[in-house]
Amino acid sequence: QKEVEQDPGPLSVPEGAIVSLNCTYSNSAFQYFMWYRQYSRKGPELLMYTYSSGNKEDGRFTAQVDKSSKYISLFIRDSQPSDSATYLCAMSAGSGKLSFGAGTTVTVRA
Amino acid sequence: GAVVSQHPSWVICKSGTSVKIECRSLDFQATTMFWYRQFPKQSLMLMATSNEGSKATYEQGVEKDKFLINHASLTLSTLTVTSAHPEDSSFYICSASMLDRASSYNEQFFGPGTRLTVL
Repeated sequence: QKEVEQDPGPLSVPEGAIVSLNCTYSNSAFQYFMWYRQYSRKGPELLMYTYSSGNKEDGRFTAQVDKSSKYISLFIRDSQPSDSATYLCAMSAGSGKLSFGAGTTVTVRA
Repeated sequence: GAVVSQHPSWVICKSGTSVKIECRSLDFQATTMFWYRQFPKQSLMLMATSNEGSKATYEQGVEKDKFLINHASLTLSTLTVTSAHPEDSSFYICSASMLDRASSYNEQFFGPGTRLTVL
């Protein structure tokens, strides 16, 4: 069993729709939860990070962490074609080492 | 924001040659840098953790004699793929970490990646 599970998709939505992404994990030591966006042939860029459980909102992006269920989510509201990318969840127990999900490829259709 | 560069961005080499990839933190000092590899349509796999002035810590299954890592300064780490073979062809990405003192979180900033093709 992988430490972090993420459905690779692909996920295709019309412009303006809400994109819903999620990951599950097995390591209860994880305290930091991140979402990265990666465009083709580029390095990942950090979208949001959350410490422990709870919600965090930043513009059109909302991240949720439910540690009791070992489940995290990312929601993208009013999606745009420029949001088309691969979204990676990542987690850390605080040592600095990150464990990544497989990444979900998202396409927002104009 | 913090910027991390990698050089070269892509390289093609013959089987048996060695290739060096540089990772630089341009506007901050990074005590720790990480090296990942990523195969097409797969996630990032951590290869090793590099701390300035000390030997790198390699993940299980990564050959330290094949993937030589040198962390010469707080802004530069290099990965050398020795005697490269076609199966080493991959996308290599580095990251540099910086402590966010407000949250005590070591945020990782990623480089743009280096695509290695071994013929």
